[in-house]
Amino acid sequence: SQQGEEDPQALSIQEGENATMNCSYKTSINNLQWYRQNSGRGLVHLILIRSNEREKHSGRLRVTLDTSKKSSSLLITASRAADTASYFCATEYQGAQKLVFGQGTRLTINP
Amino acid sequence: GAGVSQTPSNKVTEKGKYVELRCDPISGHTALYWYRQSLGQGPEFLIYFQGTGAADDSGLPNDRFFAVRPEGSVSTLKIQRTERGDSAMYLCASSSGLGDTGELFFGEGSRLTVL
Repeated sequence: SQQGEEDPQALSIQEGENATMNCSYKTSINNLQWYRQNSGRGLVHLILIRSNEREKHSGRLRVTLDTSKKSSSLLITASRAADTASYFCATEYQGAQKLVFGQGTRLTINP
Repeated sequence: GAGVSQTPSNKVTEKGKYVELRCDPISGHTALYWYRQSLGQGPEFLIYFQGTGAADDSGLPNDRFFAVRPEGSVSTLKIQRTERGDSAMYLCASSSGLGDTGELFFGEGSRLTVL
């Protein structure tokens, strides 16, 4: 079963705009990670946020974590056509040493 | 190589046949994971190795699926009596295995098609 649910399932925006994707999960976690996947390829790690952290930045990426609401968001600022991909959140819930992935958000950046 | 390598990249087989998928992790990574991904879905956990032993095989769907990692490096996912529903992308990932589950490094996957 997949713990995370992502919202929206698909997002289409214009180049230069910001893109926000949300992830909700069900049980207490050790950390939450975001991955990117280009069509038909493997996943690439973007950022990891631990349960005791609230916000993290990496380049044009900003991730927030609200453990009271069991939710996270990924913000991509100043989007580029090359950001077109599927984005997945993945959680390591307490007591397990594996990542459980959500269904993903398919992001399309229109030039 | 520097990354996780999976072979074959594509495998087409007939219903009922036996299939082996290979994963060569990043050198020195003790943790190795197998995931299965259907079209339009997120990766679904199958099995996790720490060294040579399967630390968690709770995701294997049934006893037709088996995985080994005899020397703690290369792993092979074995599927017996394949069914059309086994068609999917099979992803392998490795990590350092230290502490909690940190960043996973994924291979490009093996796409299995069962006719």
